[in-house]
Amino acid sequence: GEDVEQSLFLSVREGDSSVINCTYTDSSSTYLYWYKQEPGAGLQLLTYIFSNMDMKQDQRLTVLLNKKDKHLSLRIADTQTGDSAIYFCAGASGNTPLVFGKGTRLSVIA
Amino acid sequence: EAGVVQSPRYKIIEKKQPVAFWCNPISGHNTLYWYLQNLGQGPELLIRYENEEAVDDSQLPKDRFSAERLKGVDSTLKIQPAELGDSAVYLCASSPGTDGGELFFGEGSRLTVL
Repeated sequence: GEDVEQSLFLSVREGDSSVINCTYTDSSSTYLYWYKQEPGAGLQLLTYIFSNMDMKQDQRLTVLLNKKDKHLSLRIADTQTGDSAIYFCAGASGNTPLVFGKGTRLSVIA
Repeated sequence: EAGVVQSPRYKIIEKKQPVAFWCNPISGHNTLYWYLQNLGQGPELLIRYENEEAVDDSQLPKDRFSAERLKGVDSTLKIQPAELGDSAVYLCASSPGTDGGELFFGEGSRLTVL
């Protein structure tokens, strides 16, 4: 089955770009997702990318997918204090349920 | 449109006591999930329903956990008896389809077992 690995912590200054990385094992994953979890809240879908794409941009968010290396990244431009949260990478294939990584805690320093 | 609603938000019980969590998914969402989230970890699937049928419950510890989704709408997750290691956040999510990707999560029910 799928296994997803992420670095646990990232600290950036307000206004800088943040890059959160993720590796996955299942090459048949059809969709790869980024979810955000703020303190005391459930997870919220941020963006996703189909496996046949290399890049997807959505306002301040850019997702890069390297299928050869099974590497996914999320870049947040002009990071704000409101971006402080835990970011989860997740993969799914066909009808299989999502498998989440352990999450990357992003801290934004004002 | 109302989101996924869970209750209670917080529950503190002593070990060996029973506990139940309730989830009301987004209207029209046929697929419902219960996830377990331990501190510092990502969510782990406990059970997935398509309408009233449990289609994936392989990770549900059936000796003490049970779940139901009568009429294919609301769902209840029960633990009996609770153990210290069950302290965690129990997340409910729903999705309109069955391809498992775009999930809408509730705020979770945080369980503390003393």
